[in-house]
Amino acid sequence: DTEVTQTPKHLVMGMTNKKSLKCEQHMGHRAMYWYKQKAKKPPELMFVYSYEKLSINESVPSRFSPECPNSSLLNLHLHALQPEDSALYLCASSQSRTGVYGYTFGSGTRLTVV
Amino acid sequence: DQQVKQNSPSLSVQEGRISILNCDYTNSMFDYFLWYKKYPAEGPTFLISISSIKDKNEDGRFTVFLNKSAKHLSLHIVPSQPGDSAVYFCAASFTGANSKLTFGKGITLSVRP
Repeated sequence: DTEVTQTPKHLVMGMTNKKSLKCEQHMGHRAMYWYKQKAKKPPELMFVYSYEKLSINESVPSRFSPECPNSSLLNLHLHALQPEDSALYLCASSQSRTGVYGYTFGSGTRLTVV
Repeated sequence: DQQVKQNSPSLSVQEGRISILNCDYTNSMFDYFLWYKKYPAEGPTFLISISSIKDKNEDGRFTVFLNKSAKHLSLHIVPSQPGDSAVYFCAASFTGANSKLTFGKGITLSVRP
């Protein structure tokens, strides 16, 4: 299994909703990442987990809450989002946080906040 | 401050010809460089990488060249195919405890049949 699987593929939520994005990999990768990508922009790093511990938070607003229940799973909990949070949310994993072996990305969740 | 720069937003080439995508970086700490290809509404797909100890890496139709003194790398696609039409991101990282991937803005490649 050489994939990163993200669910759901599409999500529409209201500003008062609570939802979660899920990411799963079974490659034995020990680092997992959340990226946010707006149209015609490069992916922007949000969070890095290494060995299931949060190691980087790129000053992301608290309405985004990551969780790493185990080495294969990464969640992103969403609450009270704003319309400007609409974007493609990408999960990625790598063998180690040094990034030497590259990153494998999931297909993303297209989030629309209404 | 953009540490990875892809200054050309788009490139159009004829099928069968060479596509050359350029990337410049400013952070001398970067020692690992990657190219990703992205189709609309999909996640980036890894294409090819190069370590700073090399100046060339080849994989099939894709070759990446690294010029450390100029802080410049390029991706060559030969021959270009219509299926190569996508957005290509250059990315860089460094081997260290706080490593993270830094992306360029991307370049849209169109290969004309």
